[in-house]
Amino acid sequence: RKEVEQDPGPFNVPEGATVAFNCTYSNSASQSFFWYRQDCRKEPKLLMSVYSSGNEDGRFTAQLNRASQYISLLIRDSKLSDSATYLCVVLQTGANNLFFGTGTRLTVIP
Amino acid sequence: SAVISQKPSRDICQRGTSLTIQCQVDSQVTMMFWYRQQPGQSLTLIATANQGSEATYESGFVIDKFPISRPNLTFSTLTVSNMSPEDSSIYLCSVEDGTNYGYTFGSGTRLTVV
Repeated sequence: RKEVEQDPGPFNVPEGATVAFNCTYSNSASQSFFWYRQDCRKEPKLLMSVYSSGNEDGRFTAQLNRASQYISLLIRDSKLSDSATYLCVVLQTGANNLFFGTGTRLTVIP
Repeated sequence: SAVISQKPSRDICQRGTSLTIQCQVDSQVTMMFWYRQQPGQSLTLIATANQGSEATYESGFVIDKFPISRPNLTFSTLTVSNMSPEDSSIYLCSVEDGTNYGYTFGSGTRLTVV
């Protein structure tokens, strides 16, 4: 079983739409959670950390459900510039490396 | 956040040769991480490089194939040895970014082995 599993996508949505990505992780001892964004032929860049209380940054909202080992990312009012691959990333307790999901590709259509 | 300079950005290499990738960080960091991203796939950790000790390799990766140097707290190299076409991939270095509580990545090295 993979450490981190994501919606396979791709998601093609019109501008202005709301889109949600889901992710599950297998190790209940995981301690830190992130959403990264990766543009084509670029390195991943941190979009936001995910906290148990949930957190919001502008149009982006991240949620964590430890009981279900589930992470989500909600993007409201999608922009063309949101088109990218979104990676769900988990850091396990006692480990120093990140476990990456395979990513979900989002294309926002004019 | 930390700034990482990674080079080369890309290379095309003959099979059987070796390529050394460098990462320079603008601040001192305890650990540096080397990842591989194969075409259409997500990132997989190759090894963790600690200054002053041997790198720690993940399952499926060995030192003879991917030797790593970590001479100081701001620099590391990864060598891809005796390359084959299966080594064609993007290689990225990464450091923990204390300011964002996330990890920062170098811009990546796109390697094509022919």
